[in-house]
Amino acid sequence: DAGITQSPRHKVTETGTPVTLRCHQTENHRYMYWYRQDPGHGLRLIHYSYGVKDTDKGEVSDGYSVSRSKTEDFLLTLESATSSQTSVYFCAISEQLQKGYTEAFFGQGTRLTVV
Amino acid sequence: DAKTTQPPSMDCAEGRAANLPCNHSTISGNEYVYWYRQIHSQGPQYIIHGLKNNETNEMASLIITEDRKSSTLILPHATLRDTAVYYCIVRALGGPSGYSTLTFGKGTMLLVSP
Repeated sequence: DAGITQSPRHKVTETGTPVTLRCHQTENHRYMYWYRQDPGHGLRLIHYSYGVKDTDKGEVSDGYSVSRSKTEDFLLTLESATSSQTSVYFCAISEQLQKGYTEAFFGQGTRLTVV
Repeated sequence: DAKTTQPPSMDCAEGRAANLPCNHSTISGNEYVYWYRQIHSQGPQYIIHGLKNNETNEMASLIITEDRKSSTLILPHATLRDTAVYYCIVRALGGPSGYSTLTFGKGTMLLVSP
């Protein structure tokens, strides 16, 4: 399995508090992604990064920010958590093997509950 | 990216081949077909991908029709551990920064029974 670790694995937080989720990789892959998964919606992309300090928004980026100060770490921050952000969050990494070819490995997920 | 259509659920007997269909009638010439699966409570797992030729690896085979409007993922000898949600994803070539993102639909829930 690819070296990708998410922390924490579980978290309960109160509405209005800031929350930061961490994704750490040991594969030196260029691309990193944050997804959320909710019943009936499948996986939806929040933000992604294509290099250190290079990030862009995904499908459901409102209320989230990200940072990538080094290759191995990609942080997802909820500035002021809301109940609608209760979800399972997955980090993924990928590398461009050749033009148009990428593969993605996923972490085990972080279950976040906002009460 | 082009959208895909998959049946919401399928059943398969253990030891038999599981054939999971996917329609992607609006696929573009430079878009690849990817398959992932997600076993309950785990992160998604890459299975296989292809452009227009059939592909096979240690996990599965991917059959893409000649017009590329549909494909089938084949698990040759399904086991109970293959019970999962299977996602068919059509993915464009990278953009100006060389990346391309995955867009997941709702997938097919495959239940393998003894």
